[in-house]
Amino acid sequence: KAGVTQTPRYLIKTRGQQVTLSCSPISGHRSVSWYQQTPGQGLQFLFEYFSETQRNKGNFPGRFSGRQFSNSRSEMNVSTLELGDSALYLCASSSRTSGNTDTQYFGPGTRLTVL
Amino acid sequence: DQQVKQNSPSLSVQEGRISILNCDYTNSMFDYFLWYKKYPAEGPTFLISISSIKDKNEDGRFTVFLNKSAKHLSLHIVPSQPGDSAVYFCAASARSNYQLIWGAGTKLIIKP
Repeated sequence: KAGVTQTPRYLIKTRGQQVTLSCSPISGHRSVSWYQQTPGQGLQFLFEYFSETQRNKGNFPGRFSGRQFSNSRSEMNVSTLELGDSALYLCASSSRTSGNTDTQYFGPGTRLTVL
Repeated sequence: DQQVKQNSPSLSVQEGRISILNCDYTNSMFDYFLWYKKYPAEGPTFLISISSIKDKNEDGRFTVFLNKSAKHLSLHIVPSQPGDSAVYFCAASARSNYQLIWGAGTKLIIKP
């Protein structure tokens, strides 16, 4: 089975711009979660999508949004970029349906640099 | 408020010896715990997990211990190998929403 893929792998933007990141989950996985990783901060949960619906949301401002398509692929959008948005953005998929915690499988991440 | 804490940012261990990585949590509702390993420029990969009904789970060189009364878990790697050099994250979830809460990570360095 192919793993989780994320595009692009690297991105450089300037303050005020917006960016869209893409994630393709493992085939058959319907849950996609997004995380932000900055040095010393671990993985900060952004949101989780399941069957095109946002099921969980972390503590991030409304500039961070996402969506999931019928084929389970997901996109994450950040508008009005700030310098502090520079981070590694990770996508994880799982086969979790409901009522359990399932192992998450991560993509390689998108390294976003905001200048 | 950090619900999952990994208090050691880094740990250095001699090859062949035991590596012990620690993780503390504050939320008594957490009932499932996982360890992930992360190499630079890659996403985290799942290592081992434990549910709160157990106090130990073993998988090859990796053993996770859970002490519910102390709200503490640890990952033991025996024997440590150079390929174990990576950042290790612990994560926890509760049956209420299954969202994973992550620690900040511990960088493990295995010295030859």
